[in-house]
Amino acid sequence: QKEVEQNSGPLSVPEGAIASLNCTYSDRGSQSFFWYRQYSGKSPELIMSIYSNGDKEDGRFTAQLNKASQYVSLLIRDSQPSDSATYLCAVKPGANSKLTFGKGITLSVRP
Amino acid sequence: GAGVSQSPSNKVTEKGKDVELRCDPISGHTALYWYRQRLGQGLEFLIYFQGNSAPDKSGLPSDRFSAERTGESVSTLTIQRTQQEDSAVYLCASRGIPDTQYFGPGTRLTVL
Repeated sequence: QKEVEQNSGPLSVPEGAIASLNCTYSDRGSQSFFWYRQYSGKSPELIMSIYSNGDKEDGRFTAQLNKASQYVSLLIRDSQPSDSATYLCAVKPGANSKLTFGKGITLSVRP
Repeated sequence: GAGVSQSPSNKVTEKGKDVELRCDPISGHTALYWYRQRLGQGLEFLIYFQGNSAPDKSGLPSDRFSAERTGESVSTLTIQRTQQEDSAVYLCASRGIPDTQYFGPGTRLTVL
């Protein structure tokens, strides 16, 4: 059983639209949740972290966490072609637990 | 401040040779990870070091792979008797406080 699941994608949205990226996880006790962005040929870079139920906003990005449903999502408002990348969801069950990544979903923003 | 660094950035080797990849984590980061990423694929966890605890080696694909880390400093990933299927980008990441993990630029390994 996979621990962190993401929609297989790819996801294509027009410029200016809202992109919605979803992730589910299996360990109900998980405490920390992260979204990474990876451009082709580059390393993953952290874009959002969230620890509490609800929404966390940072510029055009909003992370949403629902621990009861074991679900974390990333919304990208006013999507830009520069947002085209692979987005990786990552979950850390406990304080000294290793971070577990989903397989990622590729987002393409059409001009 | 400096981020995670890795060396070499590129390594081309012949099948059967041994290679050693190096990772310099962010100073003070207690956790260090190695991942492998084949072309067009997701991150494949290899090994995890957390402070002075025994490393989590559950992701190492075979006994040809090994890694060491002394304290909270440099880590080396060694691949013995390389095979063509070992060709990939090897990524190192470190994590400290707050609970955020940063990746190095990776080493691109090509086995001919």
